Amino acid sequence: DTEVTQTPKHLVMGMTNKKSLKCEQHMGHRAMYWYKQKAKKPPELMFVYSYEKLSINESVPSRFSPECPNSSLLNLHLHALQPEDSALYLCASSHITDTQYFGPGTRLTVL
Amino acid sequence: GESVGLHLPTLSVQEGDNSIINCAYSNSASDYFIWYKQESGKGPQFIIDIRSNMDKRQGQRVTVLLNKTVKHLSLQIAATQPGDSAVYFCAAQTGANNLFFGTGTRLTVIP
Repeated sequence: DTEVTQTPKHLVMGMTNKKSLKCEQHMGHRAMYWYKQKAKKPPELMFVYSYEKLSINESVPSRFSPECPNSSLLNLHLHALQPEDSALYLCASSHITDTQYFGPGTRLTVL
Repeated sequence: GESVGLHLPTLSVQEGDNSIINCAYSNSASDYFIWYKQESGKGPQFIIDIRSNMDKRQGQRVTVLLNKTVKHLSLQIAATQPGDSAVYFCAAQTGANNLFFGTGTRLTVIP
């Protein structure tokens, strides 16, 4: 099973809302990632968790708050987002230093 | 850091022909390279990978070539099919989990 699942598939939120994106994998991977992808651009790394600890934060604004409750789950909490944050948010997982497998993404629209 | 670039943003091929997508990277310390396929509205899908101790790797209808001397890799798709139409990203990994994506090449297969 090489599946990474993400919920919801689509999300529309206002600038004052609080919402969360969820990601789950059952491949025994101990590294999990959040990426942001704008239209016609490559994915850009936001956060990396290794062994459930935040190891990389690519200078992401604090309105994005990641959380890794256990080795299978990864959340991204969203608060006070801006319209320019609208994008496809991708979750990925991997064994440490190995191939990253991506989920289908959450299409986020901020009004 | 790492900078990854694809040579052509778009490529059109006739169904049944072979496709070649080229990619260049900048950091000689990059030691792992991955090709991903991304269809519209979906997350990147792993196609094939290669480590820096190899110069060629073959999969089903796909071949990746790595030339470390000129920091260049290519993806060859044999007998291209309409289902191969997508955006293709090369990615270079430097260090434990830091994956840098190229800008992507949109492959269009003409029936």
